[in-house]
Amino acid sequence: AQSVTQLDSQVPVFEEAPVELRCNYSSSVSVYLFWYVQYPNQGLQLLLKYLSGSTLVKGINGFEAEFNKSQTSFHLRKPSVHISDTAEYFCAVSEAGFQKLVFGTGTRLLVSP
Amino acid sequence: DGGITQSPKYLFRKEGQNVTLSCEQNLNHDAMYWYRQDPGQGLRLIYYSQIVNDFQKGDIAEGYSVSREKKESFPLTVTSAQKNPTAFYLCASSFDRRGYNSPLHFGNGTRLTVT
Repeated sequence: AQSVTQLDSQVPVFEEAPVELRCNYSSSVSVYLFWYVQYPNQGLQLLLKYLSGSTLVKGINGFEAEFNKSQTSFHLRKPSVHISDTAEYFCAVSEAGFQKLVFGTGTRLLVSP
Repeated sequence: DGGITQSPKYLFRKEGQNVTLSCEQNLNHDAMYWYRQDPGQGLRLIYYSQIVNDFQKGDIAEGYSVSREKKESFPLTVTSAQKNPTAFYLCASSFDRRGYNSPLHFGNGTRLTVT
């Protein structure tokens, strides 16, 4: 069964600094990978997805992620963060043929001036 | 604008009472889902439905029930059998009934507090 690990529960960073949010998954078959963002008291919003093809995926709001099959990782990056990026970020994985999307426990990104 | 509407946003109930959370979508999506979110635990799948009149248990279905009588609607009932019902509940939908490579669209959630 697939699982997702987000090791960092919270990542503090200063405005305009780069950031990387880590995501590792375990699966023995082909996977589809997603990053979602959640602002306080709201639902989740898709940032980007990897289904196939290029391992570098670009998403909304200047975020990108790289799929690394050998390291079973899908880390999220942004070269320069804004205060408005403060939110919780969830990595999720699904396996081909299975209905279920499995979420990580989330990483809270705190951007300060 | 198409989207998912969850109501109410906040819900308070006494212990021992059943409560139903509403979820309506106008995206014409086949599949719908209910997740529960607790601090530090991410999202856990309660139930999902790929087509009308059919639904499947997720990882934490005990104490919950659902129905899917219409494509647009997927209400969740939290019964008195659910031991820790206080949580943030999220409804989602996806275009592809297979679901696994189709992004989820989420509602804004219902925060349920049971005392």
